[in-house]
Amino acid sequence: EAGVTQFPSHSVIEKGQTVTLRCDPISGHDNLYWYRRVMGKEIKFLLHFVKESKQDESGMPNNRFLAERTGGTYSTLKVQPAELEDSGVYFCASSPPDSLSYGYTFGSGTRLTVV
Amino acid sequence: KQEVTQIPAALSVPEGENLVLNCSFTDSAIYNLQWFRQDPGKGLTSLLLIQSSQREQTSGRLNASLDKSSGRSTLYIAASQPGDSATYLCAVPKRRSQGNLIFGKGTKLSVKP
Repeated sequence: EAGVTQFPSHSVIEKGQTVTLRCDPISGHDNLYWYRRVMGKEIKFLLHFVKESKQDESGMPNNRFLAERTGGTYSTLKVQPAELEDSGVYFCASSPPDSLSYGYTFGSGTRLTVV
Repeated sequence: KQEVTQIPAALSVPEGENLVLNCSFTDSAIYNLQWFRQDPGKGLTSLLLIQSSQREQTSGRLNASLDKSSGRSTLYIAASQPGDSATYLCAVPKRRSQGNLIFGKGTKLSVKP
């Protein structure tokens, strides 16, 4: 089966610009998650979708970040306007409904650099 | 608040050695613990998932153990190979928010030929 797909793999933008990251989960996985790793820190949770609904968005850093999952399929994460501290690697993961039993499958990530 | 710590932060060993990576967590009420591997510039690859009711899981040369009461997990790699060089991460789900994984900072392993 195809894995979790993320694009772009890399993005370099200027401070103040807008960037949209996309994630295609494994087909049939209701759960979709966004995570982020900034330089030197742990990977941190951003939010969790169950189908098209936001189950938990407690990790979203501020209102410059907007995540959507229209139709419960792919998801987008928009950063507008981007700031220098938003640089890092953004990972998407998906899981079947019983994530506790089956764990999570991660994508390769999008490396975002804000200059 | 759950915190996950991995020791050592980096490890360099000659090829063929058996090695142990450590992961500790502060809240023992976990559902499961997952070990991942991350290659440079790549995503996370799931290695082993241990449920809270299990003591260990094995996959090939990898063996992960879990001791909930002491808040520890170890990842044992037998007969290490240069291809095992990567960063190894452990993660546990946050209580009452199963989709929110708490990660350690990882152990960067280098296996020298």
